[in-house]
Amino acid sequence: NAGVTQTPKFRVLKTGQSMTLLCAQDMNHEYMYWYRQDPGMGLRLIHYSVGEGTTAKGEVPDGYNVSRLKKQNFLLGLESAAPSQTSVYFCASSYFDRDNQPQHFGDGTRLSIL
Amino acid sequence: AQSVTQLDSQVPVFEEAPVELRCNYSSSVSVYLFWYVQYPNQGLQLLLKYLSGSTLVKGINGFEAEFNKSQTSFHLRKPSVHISDTAEYFCAVSTDNTDKLIFGTGTRLQVFP
Repeated sequence: NAGVTQTPKFRVLKTGQSMTLLCAQDMNHEYMYWYRQDPGMGLRLIHYSVGEGTTAKGEVPDGYNVSRLKKQNFLLGLESAAPSQTSVYFCASSYFDRDNQPQHFGDGTRLSIL
Repeated sequence: AQSVTQLDSQVPVFEEAPVELRCNYSSSVSVYLFWYVQYPNQGLQLLLKYLSGSTLVKGINGFEAEFNKSQTSFHLRKPSVHISDTAEYFCAVSTDNTDKLIFGTGTRLQVFP
């Protein structure tokens, strides 16, 4: 009963390096989301997807790219990491039907950019 | 556009005391409202949600919230808190014309023995 799994859980990068965060869900959810959580700012939506092969920008998309090649996976990429991207990143997924919300969250990825 | 305001960044309370965490929202259309809880080093879990119907919503762990349309509020309450309720609580809003949740900045509930 995995739910939403995020890989890796921790990572330290140097400025300018690239990396990809992986989110996998086993609940057959149509929607998937990437958020970042920073102290005093709550969760802010980076990108989201309403189905396989589709993506859309959220509130803070700059510096990130995403892909949803398979329904169960949602990848978040940092092409050239910056210290301002130091944060905790959360992936979430949900059904299309609002009555069957809520969003289910992973345990987060703690990313530090030096 | 929608927005959510959680005025209290921290709420300290003694065990077995009642607590209220405040949430106000702004929206020009009908809203759906949620409270999530985040325990240390974990993701968010849904406490309760208001979609329609009764304005008093009961959730898990003894929490409840009341939707007040005239005051645009959705305050979370618990009559008697436990140490284990220590966590961060987030209020969130969505509407019919969006697939997204807008989160408040969170309230850290600290329960003392």
